[in-house]
Amino acid sequence: KNEVEQSPQNLTAQEGEFITINCSYSVGISALHWLQQHPGGGIVSLFMLSSGKKKHGRLIATINIQEKHSSLHITASHPRDSAVYICAVWFFGSEKLTFGTGTRLTIIP
Amino acid sequence: GAGVSQTPSNKVTEKGKYVELRCDPISGHTALYWYRQSLGQGPEFLIYFQGTGAADDSGLPNDRFFAVRPEGSVSTLKIQRTERGDSAVYLCASSLTSWGGGADTQYFGPGTRLTVL
Repeated sequence: KNEVEQSPQNLTAQEGEFITINCSYSVGISALHWLQQHPGGGIVSLFMLSSGKKKHGRLIATINIQEKHSSLHITASHPRDSAVYICAVWFFGSEKLTFGTGTRLTIIP
Repeated sequence: GAGVSQTPSNKVTEKGKYVELRCDPISGHTALYWYRQSLGQGPEFLIYFQGTGAADDSGLPNDRFFAVRPEGSVSTLKIQRTERGDSAVYLCASSLTSWGGGADTQYFGPGTRLTVL
């Protein structure tokens, strides 16, 4: 079965801490999306990647295709980073996204 | 330019009623996706359009759900005989194209929160 798992489900940290959110998937993929969803808000695409590493501001996303694992890192976390972070993948041969259940991040001032 | 828009933002209906949810994708995007997100869960795929045709409707839960995209732009998700279990946020996303492999950045709308009483 094609599955996507995220950990942790919930994460609370102090402002300024380095944050890591993990995503693992069951079978081969063509690409992976990291998405951000604020409470009551829409979903914003942060990264799409199929290999290596991408960086945008304080956000870094990495993927290891062989290990079927991706991580999203946030440096110098800020309360405005508080949101649900969702990992979603395109499994090989599929044109639809399969989503993880999300990680709820809360950054305390 | 304008992003993906969805109307209405909120819809409250009674069990058994018919509802239509509208999605207006980014201009020029040929691929359009509908997802459903229940509280505390990640989105679940419902249906995907490439142009006017439904390329994959395998996520529609049953025949009460139907979606159209007659001119390859705006799409309408239709739910007949609504049930309380249909309550969720219905998300629409579009992407520029969807080639073999499907991996193109998707841009999401704000969603329609459907509540069935």
